[in-house]
Amino acid sequence: AQTVTQSQPEMSVQEAETVTLSCTYDTSENNYYLFWYKQPPSRQMILVIRQEAYKQQNATENRFSVNFQKAAKSFSLKISDSQLGDTAMYFCAFMKHVMTRSNSPSVIGDVNNNDMRFGAGTRLTVKP
Amino acid sequence: DGGITQSPKYLFRKEGQNVTLSCEQNLNHDAMYWYRQDPGQGLRLIYYSQIVNDFQKGDIAEGYSVSREKKESFPLTVTSAQKNPTAFYLCASSIMVASEAFFGQGTRLTVV
Repeated sequence: AQTVTQSQPEMSVQEAETVTLSCTYDTSENNYYLFWYKQPPSRQMILVIRQEAYKQQNATENRFSVNFQKAAKSFSLKISDSQLGDTAMYFCAFMKHVMTRSNSPSVIGDVNNNDMRFGAGTRLTVKP
Repeated sequence: DGGITQSPKYLFRKEGQNVTLSCEQNLNHDAMYWYRQDPGQGLRLIYYSQIVNDFQKGDIAEGYSVSREKKESFPLTVTSAQKNPTAFYLCASSIMVASEAFFGQGTRLTVV
């Protein structure tokens, strides 16, 4: 099974500054996707950014960007101009994309086997 | 509005009883997932289903069961065999071709 490691249980940053959250993963797959999710105190999971492994260009979404290093199996998240609303748990996630034989007798042929695995999370606090 | 709905939000169960958590989506997604979240351990995959009538065990399937009789529904049963069921449970769905997962608001299960 794939593993996702977030080595920073907690981090803090001053408002308006930049912070980088680390994520590494272990897989033998070549075709996969990576995600960062945010979980505020409401506990609703919110997608922050996604990266396809076949793309060399790093994904960006406004103040959020990633540094994707495929050979090193590293996927860090950079938050620029941090805001108080960025305070949350951040989870790195990995989704493989392979075809496997279905276990169900009513399903003929292969199905996409794209389970999603998460890291343990990093609690980010933005200080005023 | 399209979305994924978990119910109930809070659930209490007596020790030794089975309980079923509901998850419904109207996003026309093929894939659905169940995760358990404990403090300091992130999200751990219990079961997932890529298509109706088919599902796969995740990392911590023991003591849980699921069914996928309809595309829209993926209920999770926490059985009495699950020794430590108190946790926050999250259901998610995604389209068949790998994409981001959309999450429900979760169910907090407490064994009393």
